[in-house]
Amino acid sequence: GAVVSQHPSWVICKSGTSVKIECRSLDFQATTMFWYRQFPKQSLMLMATSNEGSKATYEQGVEKDKFLINHASLTLSTLTVTSAHPEDSSFYICSAGGQFNQPQHFGDGTRLSIL
Amino acid sequence: DAKTTQPNSMESNEEEPVHLPCNHSTISGTDYIHWYRQLPSQGPEYVIHGLTSNVNNRMASLAIAEDRKSSTLILHRATLRDAAVYYCILSRGGSNYKLTFGKGTLLTVNP
Repeated sequence: GAVVSQHPSWVICKSGTSVKIECRSLDFQATTMFWYRQFPKQSLMLMATSNEGSKATYEQGVEKDKFLINHASLTLSTLTVTSAHPEDSSFYICSAGGQFNQPQHFGDGTRLSIL
Repeated sequence: DAKTTQPNSMESNEEEPVHLPCNHSTISGTDYIHWYRQLPSQGPEYVIHGLTSNVNNRMASLAIAEDRKSSTLILHRATLRDAAVYYCILSRGGSNYKLTFGKGTLLTVNP
């Protein structure tokens, strides 16, 4: 079946570092990908919709200068957490594929820990 | 977006059927009903989706009420690997398509 690969699986870095997370659709082209954040014991919160060849659409309250999204090809979207701080520590998940009447395929997530 | 209501948690025994309910009283005629599940420390996994008719696949069955204001995800024989948070989500077409996750139902499966 369709697979979405997310890399890295986990990352630990110092405060002030910028971290890039990749989301790849392995066997299909994705014009739209989604980025979510999930804090412990909470549900997924949509951060932004990544559109191939155009600017991402951010949800209310999500800082676009803090969370940079690039969707340069039909199989790759990246999320860069700029100047990360401990409060940015979270589980970041991407998804791709399908329209409203088709399944979304999710990556396995990236656990980000900022020290 | 139309909202869904699910019980916070449910418990089942291994090898028994599980019926996970979802209420969506404000569903519109073109909203699809999707079910995803999330195992600990993993991304969500697609389970099943439907519009009006009941649906079956290798993982589960989806029973949709005739008025579409509720649906039930049916796991025919629960296994320990089915322990997860199950999310019932409505999706609507349009230029602003997205999935909005609620709190879901935490399913515990007892051996």
